Amino acid sequence: EIVLTQSPATLSLSPGERATLSCRASQSISNYLAWYQQKPGQAPRLLIYDASNRATGIPARFSGSGSGTDFTLTISSLEPEDFAVYYCQQRSNWPSITFGQGTRLEIK
Amino acid sequence: EVQLVESGGGLVQPGGSLRLSCAASGFTFSSYWMSWVRQAPGKGLEWVANIKQDGSEKYYVDSVKGRFTISRDNAKISLSLQMNSLRAEDTAVYYCAREMGGHYDILTGHYYYYYMDVWGKGTTVTVSS
Repeated sequence: EIVLTQSPATLSLSPGERATLSCRASQSISNYLAWYQQKPGQAPRLLIYDASNRATGIPARFSGSGSGTDFTLTISSLEPEDFAVYYCQQRSNWPSITFGQGTRLEIK
Repeated sequence: EVQLVESGGGLVQPGGSLRLSCAASGFTFSSYWMSWVRQAPGKGLEWVANIKQDGSEKYYVDSVKGRFTISRDNAKISLSLQMNSLRAEDTAVYYCAREMGGHYDILTGHYYYYYMDVWGKGTTVTVSS
């Protein structure tokens, strides 16, 4: 089973700052990685797929990069609504899906 | 508007059964693979099962194999999850989700979907005596 490890577990930043979230896979997954945002009491929302493609309606301040085993989600300038939990997800060994444990982005 | 709405959650005793439903609208349901994903209280996301457009292929996470059954009715535009022999560790919010993205395998003629772009709000299942 491919394990995804996200870091840091919690990130404390202020609105307007740049956020960098990491996701590391236990083995190469090419670029088959997605990022989701989840706010309390809400369903996850797809942000990025294939490591760097923004999903429909996602603001340009969200960007993804990486391939192989190391991936990054960057939020260029944090808006108040961006404070949430972020999960990475892979499915390179179809049909099994694994998610990372999540990074909580909180207001400093 | 593209929408998924789950129902059927509730409180059930260990060993009991429950059937979840997911009503789809705003898109051509029969054209998409569909998944169930769950989230235990205060925990992360766990994929549970998925089903091909015509229902001919179904896959499950090991922890629910033999206990859960995913199905769909394209005429009624709905997805279901029959859950039997429920355990305390099945307690979670259950989301249905539409699959998208991936790649086409020329050798097998199979399209492999990797991500989930539309999610319902979820329905809560609590297994407790």
